[in-house]
Amino acid sequence: GQNIDQPTEMTATEGAIVQINCTYQTSGFNGLFWYQQHAGEAPTFLSYNVLDGLEEKGRFSSFLSRSKGYSYLLLKELQMKDSASYLCAVREAGAGSYQLTFGKGTKLSVIP
Amino acid sequence: KAGVTQTPRYLIKTRGQQVTLSCSPISGHRSVSWYQQTPGQGLQFLFEYFSETQRNKGNFPGRFSGRQFSNSRSEMNVSTLELGDSALYLCASSGGSGEKLFFGSGTQLSVL
Repeated sequence: GQNIDQPTEMTATEGAIVQINCTYQTSGFNGLFWYQQHAGEAPTFLSYNVLDGLEEKGRFSSFLSRSKGYSYLLLKELQMKDSASYLCAVREAGAGSYQLTFGKGTKLSVIP
Repeated sequence: KAGVTQTPRYLIKTRGQQVTLSCSPISGHRSVSWYQQTPGQGLQFLFEYFSETQRNKGNFPGRFSGRQFSNSRSEMNVSTLELGDSALYLCASSGGSGEKLFFGSGTQLSVL
């Protein structure tokens, strides 16, 4: 089984940088995902990490340490539209599986 | 390319009834997964279908079932509805060699 923890809520200022942490415990690991979900909308894919290190994509970066069971999502130059829930999800090891285990999400509020 | 389409968008049912939700994946995607999202539990995996076969199933009672058709469209059924089944039901599709899931906007089910 898997257990995924992330903060429930965070608040940050427009133009600032925010880091959303995610820790996980799993018996078999095959990748970590970050999704963004605006209220009332579908989750949308942000990033995927399967190897240790930092993946950068524009204003968003995601980091993974498999030995520590730890990931973070870094959002730079925050904009008001970044106010959303950010979901950390882990995929179990297993061929052909698209089954993800999600954390409960971190609700980020960006204030002026 | 059209995204994942779920119908209906909203449903209101009463306890004891049954409901069928529909999902049309992105064209060419053969994997369809279903998730239940509630404020308290976040996203929880229901099941995944690939080429009309159920590959994985989450920890939900047998009242929750699904199927996939030859055109990859999928339906999920919940029988004998309970108040606790009120949730947003999300469908996601995936295909080719991509790891990420593409989510639909979901069906908001309210059980009265």
